[in-house]
Amino acid sequence: AQRVTQPEKLLSVFKGAPVELKCNYSYSGSPELFWYVQYSRQRLQLLLRHISRESIKGFTADLNKGETSFHLKKPFAQEEDSAMYYCALLLEDSNYQLIWGAGTKLIIKP
Amino acid sequence: KAGVTQTPRYLIKTRGQQVTLSCSPISGHRSVSWYQQTPGQGLQFLFEYFSETQRNKGNFPGRFSGRQFSNSRSEMNVSTLELGDSALYLCASSLGGLSARTDTQYFGPGTRLTVL
Repeated sequence: AQRVTQPEKLLSVFKGAPVELKCNYSYSGSPELFWYVQYSRQRLQLLLRHISRESIKGFTADLNKGETSFHLKKPFAQEEDSAMYYCALLLEDSNYQLIWGAGTKLIIKP
Repeated sequence: KAGVTQTPRYLIKTRGQQVTLSCSPISGHRSVSWYQQTPGQGLQFLFEYFSETQRNKGNFPGRFSGRQFSNSRSEMNVSTLELGDSALYLCASSLGGLSARTDTQYFGPGTRLTVL
């Protein structure tokens, strides 16, 4: 079955330390993956998508098909990175739908 | 440009009742997707409407239905409410929808539904 797993419900790191938010997926098709972020009292918003191969706010994510992973990384965490992060997988067949991970709450300690 | 709006923001209903939630997309967006968010199940895709047609559907019972109007505004209806329907219901709008890989979904603030 298609599934997105974010193993950490909570991740706490110090400012300036590297951050890695884990995302693993299970999908037999060609994966289309996204990271969404929700800052406190703000709406859910797209952070980045793997197809664009972009870096947003210093975050990058590489699709590793061998390990079925799409981990989100940032070399130096900032306090404003504190937020809820969701990994999502787009299922593509005759019926498109987004499958979501449970989310990881990232807390950056000063 | 005004963002996605959802009304009402909060709603309290009792079991067995029905409820209608509304979502107004960003001007020019033709796709509206609906999601349910609960502490237990997380975020789950309900369905997507594009140009007044349901284009994609998640794994929810038929009690959950929706529609889209010619101005792209969308409504979601839940009939015969159950306690488990208590959730935050989010809608998101985009230009081309889920099948447009480079499209961006813009989310509304959500409607918090409580079923007593």
